Amino acid sequence: DAKTTQPNSMESNEEEPVHLPCNHSTISGTDYIHWYRQLPSQGPEYVIHGLTSNVNNRMASLAIAEDRKSSTLILHRATLRDAAVYYCILRGSAGGTSYGKLTFGQGTILTVHP
Amino acid sequence: DTEVTQTPKHLVMGMTNKKSLKCEQHMGHRAMYWYKQKAKKPPELMFVYSYEKLSINESVPSRFSPECPNSSLLNLHLHALQPEDSALYLCASSPLRGSGGRDEQFFGPGTRLTVL
Repeated sequence: DAKTTQPNSMESNEEEPVHLPCNHSTISGTDYIHWYRQLPSQGPEYVIHGLTSNVNNRMASLAIAEDRKSSTLILHRATLRDAAVYYCILRGSAGGTSYGKLTFGQGTILTVHP
Repeated sequence: DTEVTQTPKHLVMGMTNKKSLKCEQHMGHRAMYWYKQKAKKPPELMFVYSYEKLSINESVPSRFSPECPNSSLLNLHLHALQPEDSALYLCASSPLRGSGGRDEQFFGPGTRLTVL
């Protein structure tokens, strides 16, 4: 699986935007970029995914670099409930033994200050 | 119903016990997953079931035995576990949409397992 690199931790203030970066320089042309987050004492939660174009949903926005070697998860107004570990994961589209695998890296611990 | 439920929430067992973890979803998803998560570490995939058939086993020891009786239910049977198997066990499901790269996974809250 192609690898992702994220900062270990980031901090933000409540109601400010947060930009969480992810590097994936070995991404293949068919890899989707997924983001999940895990709040304390909960299972991971799907946030957003994209392939080439920027994506928006009710939770966040995903900005993907033109060369696809990096991406940024954007939380437009952080709340205390957004404090979590954020994981950037590449998911291949090919079948075979890698189908269905979600390989979590270490993620970024986001702290939100009131 | 957009939930994945897991029972029990907590389980304490001895090394000679046999126990089972249960996972259920009613979203019509055709893939189900077991992950193991140690404290302060990311989740690690254990097993994947696609269309009720085991499609991925990540070289998990045989003391963990998965079972998928139907498309809504996933079990993990535990036997002769070791203390180092203590962890949070997460279940997930996904719709198996198209090529797979777009397939998002929905996770349950996990079962916190302690092996004495």
